[in-house]
Amino acid sequence: AQTVTQSQPEMSVQEAETVTLSCTYDTSESDYYLFWYKQPPSRQMILVIRQEAYKQQNATENRFSVNFQKAAKSFSLKISDSQLGDAAMYFCAYGKSNTGNQFYFGTGTSLTVIP
Amino acid sequence: GAVVSQHPSRVICKSGTSVKIECRSLDFQATTMFWYRQFPKQSLMLMATSNEGSKATYEQGVEKDKFLINHASLTLSTLTVTSAHPEDSSFYICSAREIAGGSREQFFGPGTRLTVL
Repeated sequence: AQTVTQSQPEMSVQEAETVTLSCTYDTSESDYYLFWYKQPPSRQMILVIRQEAYKQQNATENRFSVNFQKAAKSFSLKISDSQLGDAAMYFCAYGKSNTGNQFYFGTGTSLTVIP
Repeated sequence: GAVVSQHPSRVICKSGTSVKIECRSLDFQATTMFWYRQFPKQSLMLMATSNEGSKATYEQGVEKDKFLINHASLTLSTLTVTSAHPEDSSFYICSAREIAGGSREQFFGPGTRLTVL
């Protein structure tokens, strides 16, 4: 199975500031998908942003953007103008591009937003 | 948009009994569903891929006779934990992918907390 590493177990950010969460992965495939999911205390997984590996352009979704470095196998998430509602566990996920489309998750980063 | 439900949300059972968890895609059809388990403060670990009309594919280290998966229709997959033991206590999450899901996104259920006494 592919391995996904999140080296920051915990991060904190001041409200309205910017924070970057790190993610690296290991794969021998050239085609795959990458995702960031948010898991609030309710435990419901919520998609934050996705990136197709074949696209060079970094994905953005409002205040969320990624820095995708394919050669380095790095996929970091930047949250701008942090809000209290952004506080949650954030999981990076690697998705296979085959018909099975299995996901493999990183260990997660707990984000605290300080008012 | 795409909603996945799980039932029950919580279950407590005695050691040695079997527990069935249902995963339903409410507003879309899913040929493929996935089952994960999540221990407290840990990540989601993929257990198996559930394929409609065929046998599930289990990840390495997951006992197929312990965790029975049935994907009988395009909207329902079930996970049965057989002869449950306290070490099976965990949070079980399912997800589903749309048939025409070109985005490869998985939609997640709200999870089921299993406690085995």
